[in-house]
Amino acid sequence: NAGVTQTPKFRILKIGQSMTLQCTQDMNHNYMYWYRQDPGMGLKLIYYSVGAGITDKGEVPNGYNVSRSTTEDFPLRLELAAPSQTSVYFCASRGRATDTQYFGPGTRLTVL
Amino acid sequence: SQKIEQNSEALNIQEGKTATLTCNYTNYSPAYLQWYRQDPGRGPVFLLLIRENEKEKRKERLKVTFDTTLKQSLFHITASQPADSATYLCALDVDTDKLIFGTGTRLQVFP
Repeated sequence: NAGVTQTPKFRILKIGQSMTLQCTQDMNHNYMYWYRQDPGMGLKLIYYSVGAGITDKGEVPNGYNVSRSTTEDFPLRLELAAPSQTSVYFCASRGRATDTQYFGPGTRLTVL
Repeated sequence: SQKIEQNSEALNIQEGKTATLTCNYTNYSPAYLQWYRQDPGRGPVFLLLIRENEKEKRKERLKVTFDTTLKQSLFHITASQPADSATYLCALDVDTDKLIFGTGTRLQVFP
């Protein structure tokens, strides 16, 4: 099992550009999450999904969108990149029968 | 609002000693608490989960305590090694679907 994979690993965007951060898990997990981690600020939940076709906002959803058309994939979309979105983004997944979250390796995004 | 506090200052200890990290929370009654390890440039990795009706949990050199009266969890690493150097995050369940994470404490174990 590859677990949770994220692409790209690094990306530099200009203000106003858009991009999609990809997240895929091969553990057949129902739950998937997107977090951002700023230095010294801990992980903040952006969006989450409890199953295919269902998404909900987390603590810091503004400026982002998500979709969950399959169990495996949970892409995060930035429509109009802003410097405040410079951060490290982590995707995570969890099975229905467990409370443990499994994290991907992260995407480091810089918006200039 | 719900708040989780971990010591933001790095903890520096000598190899072989016991490291103790603290997680305090307010305005909250979690059903369980989790501890994760995060190495630089990597995603967090789950270590231990302790439920509200459990006082203590152990796994190899790791021990977690959970005091719901004090609203505090302590995370201990006994016989610490340089390889234990990392940032340790505590997390509480907000509801059945979500976790809220602390800011983490960086542990440095020197020979």
